[in-house]
Amino acid sequence: EAGVTQFPSHSVIEKGQTVTLRCDPISGHDNLYWYRRVMGKEIKFLLHFVKESKQDESGMPNNRFLAERTGGTYSTLKVQPAELEDSGVYFCASSQVAGSRGEQYFGPGTRLTVT
Amino acid sequence: AQSVTQLDSQVPVFEEAPVELRCNYSSSVSVYLFWYVQYPNQGLQLLLKYLSGSTLVKGINGFEAEFNKSQTSFHLRKPSVHISDTAEYFCALYTNAGKSTFGDGTTLTVKP
Repeated sequence: EAGVTQFPSHSVIEKGQTVTLRCDPISGHDNLYWYRRVMGKEIKFLLHFVKESKQDESGMPNNRFLAERTGGTYSTLKVQPAELEDSGVYFCASSQVAGSRGEQYFGPGTRLTVT
Repeated sequence: AQSVTQLDSQVPVFEEAPVELRCNYSSSVSVYLFWYVQYPNQGLQLLLKYLSGSTLVKGINGFEAEFNKSQTSFHLRKPSVHISDTAEYFCALYTNAGKSTFGDGTTLTVKP
């Protein structure tokens, strides 16, 4: 069974440009989460989808970030326009059932560098 | 609100020595606790987890952790480390609210 996949693995863009990150969860997992780690600090929660609905987006830093999950399958996270402080590693995770005792499976992450 | 504190940002040890990576947590509700490892240029890999039952949990690669509710700790241990254990380790907690809270990470460096 394939794990959580993320694309691209690395992205280098200039300040002011737009970047779209993609996450493909494990097939059948209704719950999808985005996290990010900036400047070597802790990994922080961004948002949680249940199928195509946003269950919790309390961690989204500002309105330059837009997450979607059309059809309840893969998800995209768009940053527009990107700022220097957006640099970091963006992780996606999925789980089968809400409240499933933390059985979240993480993807390899996308390393975003904004110059 | 929940929080996780990893008490050491860097832990250097010699090969074959024992190691303990410390993690304390704070939560007003029941939690599930995890340790993840991130090797250079790779993603997060689950090492072990505490969901319920026995407070001593064993994970992959010879690691184990002990859940201590009274001290709100979940320290990770390995009796004898290898060079290949060099990585960053993250302690995390999860509640039924649906998201994980992570510590800042501990970089374990194993020296020959």
